[in-house]
Amino acid sequence: SAVISQKPSRDICQRGTSLTIQCQVDSQVTMMFWYRQQPGQSLTLIATANQGSEATYESGFVIDKFPISRPNLTFSTLTVSNMSPEDSSIYLCSVSDSENEKLFFGSGTQLSVL
Amino acid sequence: RKEVEQDPGPFNVPEGATVAFNCTYSNSASQSFFWYRQDCRKEPKLLMSVYSSGNEDGRFTAQLNRASQYISLLIRDSKLSDSATYLCVVNRGAGFQKLVFGTGTRLLVSP
Repeated sequence: SAVISQKPSRDICQRGTSLTIQCQVDSQVTMMFWYRQQPGQSLTLIATANQGSEATYESGFVIDKFPISRPNLTFSTLTVSNMSPEDSSIYLCSVSDSENEKLFFGSGTQLSVL
Repeated sequence: RKEVEQDPGPFNVPEGATVAFNCTYSNSASQSFFWYRQDCRKEPKLLMSVYSSGNEDGRFTAQLNRASQYISLLIRDSKLSDSATYLCVVNRGAGFQKLVFGTGTRLLVSP
């Protein structure tokens, strides 16, 4: 199974600022995924981070708000820009296994926006 | 109506009890099904995949009913360590981008 290191584990931010979340995987993976889990809600896919091309965003999420970098096959960042209290959530990165049968998740970033 | 629906619980059961969760899905074209476990303030972890023929892993049994569009998870001989939220996950197509997560069913196992 993949080992995923995600940081920061939690942060408290002021409205209007931006936070960049980092995700490091111990093996090369083709796709990395960024999810959001709002309080009491299900996991929602924000975007798929592809190495060498722009991220693919899901409906309701845009690059200006959630810019993503994928400089190589083991690393990705998600930035939450111009934050508002509605962005308070857990953000999770994930990767699939080599057989593309299961997802592994990072430990998540608990974000609180004041 | 949500695409994947689960009873949020909590299900409160004593140690040793048998407990079952159901999950319904609305997209009949859904192709694969999973149960994930999420401990409080932790990331989800795959518990088991769900196959048409049903599958068992130790104390856990998962079943799929395509005709009625639901999947189930049965836990026998509950342990305190089984306390967690169980997420039903449905893949409505090929690729992980098509995964739809339920909001989860919370299980509390007490001594």
